Amino acid sequence: AQTVTQSQPEMSVQEAETVTLSCTYDTSESDYYLFWYKQPPSRQMILVIRQEAYKQQNATENRFSVNFQKAAKSFSLKISDSQLGDAAMYFCAYRSANQFYFGTGTSLTVIP
Amino acid sequence: DTGVSQDPRHKITKRGQNVTFRCDPISEHNRLYWYRQTLGQGPEFLTYFQNEAQLEKSRLLSDRFSAERPKGSFSTLEIQRTEQGDSAMYLCASSFRGQGTHEQFFGPGTRLTVL
Repeated sequence: AQTVTQSQPEMSVQEAETVTLSCTYDTSESDYYLFWYKQPPSRQMILVIRQEAYKQQNATENRFSVNFQKAAKSFSLKISDSQLGDAAMYFCAYRSANQFYFGTGTSLTVIP
Repeated sequence: DTGVSQDPRHKITKRGQNVTFRCDPISEHNRLYWYRQTLGQGPEFLTYFQNEAQLEKSRLLSDRFSAERPKGSFSTLEIQRTEQGDSAMYLCASSFRGQGTHEQFFGPGTRLTVL
């Protein structure tokens, strides 16, 4: 069964610093997609970054980048130059066939 | 606004009552998903449609839950004989098949409270 594990319920980072959020997943499939979503308080979920499993190159979107280790089934998110607006719940998600699986989330606090 | 919309945003009901939620996806999106999210948890997949066809249902979707997408546009999620355990945020998302990664765009959710 596919599962997504986020082992850090809460994280904090000083403004302008870098933080890494961890995610591991379990799958027996070779073709899948991984995502990081951001859910600010009382606001809707938005996509931060995505990674295709067949691509070896790590995805990057401005200050957000991932470290995708397919063999280790690890998919961490690095946020550089953290901003106050980055404070939110971050969910790691896995897509396989017709379903999405989400982790339990990491609550990120940005300290001014 | 061309995003995913959901109605109502909040619903309070008494145990045993039926409730229905509506989701309007982004107009050109042919896939529509329903999720349930409880406090402190990530979204749990419930079901999804491609056009009007319901292609997948989670085991979480008991017989009291039914979803429709009659014309391949908006969708409704009905919960019959609500229970206190149904209290959650119900999220709708849509995507366009053919984009490759099937990126999902989420609506604001409907928060259900069952008293």
